[in-house]
Amino acid sequence: QQPVQSPQAVILREGEDAVINCSSSKALYSVHWYRQKHGEAPVFLMILLKGGEQKGHEKISASFNEKKQQSSLYLTASQLSYSGTYFCGTEGDSSYKLIFGSGTRLLVRP
Amino acid sequence: DAGVTQSPTHLIKTRGQQVTLRCSPKSGHDTVSWYQQALGQGPQFIFQYYEEEERQRGNFPDRFSGHQFPNYSSELNVNALLLGDSALYLCASSLRTSSSYNSPLHFGNGTRLTVT
Repeated sequence: QQPVQSPQAVILREGEDAVINCSSSKALYSVHWYRQKHGEAPVFLMILLKGGEQKGHEKISASFNEKKQQSSLYLTASQLSYSGTYFCGTEGDSSYKLIFGSGTRLLVRP
Repeated sequence: DAGVTQSPTHLIKTRGQQVTLRCSPKSGHDTVSWYQQALGQGPQFIFQYYEEEERQRGNFPDRFSGHQFPNYSSELNVNALLLGDSALYLCASSLRTSSSYNSPLHFGNGTRLTVT
């Protein structure tokens, strides 16, 4: 089952914050986040494993709520380089099968 | 250190034809997954190869088949092409560990397939 991402699209001014959500109807073992710029391959951002661990990478962080089967990606003080489409990928029960959501398009304007 | 490489980058085929796409994984990786990405959509999982065997498969018909070679490189074959097969085909490699997907996918730049 494909995870559901929200919002579908968001437009920010440089320096503003954003939250992208990813939810699944199935129990999850891990959640991955990737960013894809137009005409390029998806690039890995971070993995969150079962256990509710929160991870961070500079001004981008994420959380994983096991009970709700949800993950959120937090973008703080956005930069122009953050523009792109963000995908969450979910894996259920050590299946080694990563299923991606339909993506959230983020545009950061000066 | 070369990343994931895919060939060809672009391909135009006619309905009913067959196509083979190729992927070389990132050095040190042993698992290859193939995804189909339609315009404006997320990557759709086709299948995954590890130890030269198909380990997982998505909801794709048998027209889609693959292979993994001893050097971990992989091929995706699509028979009897349909117009709906037009998409970007992405190959992603990873290192399989004992504890499931705790290692990231590294994607190639993809093969853009157009079926006319």
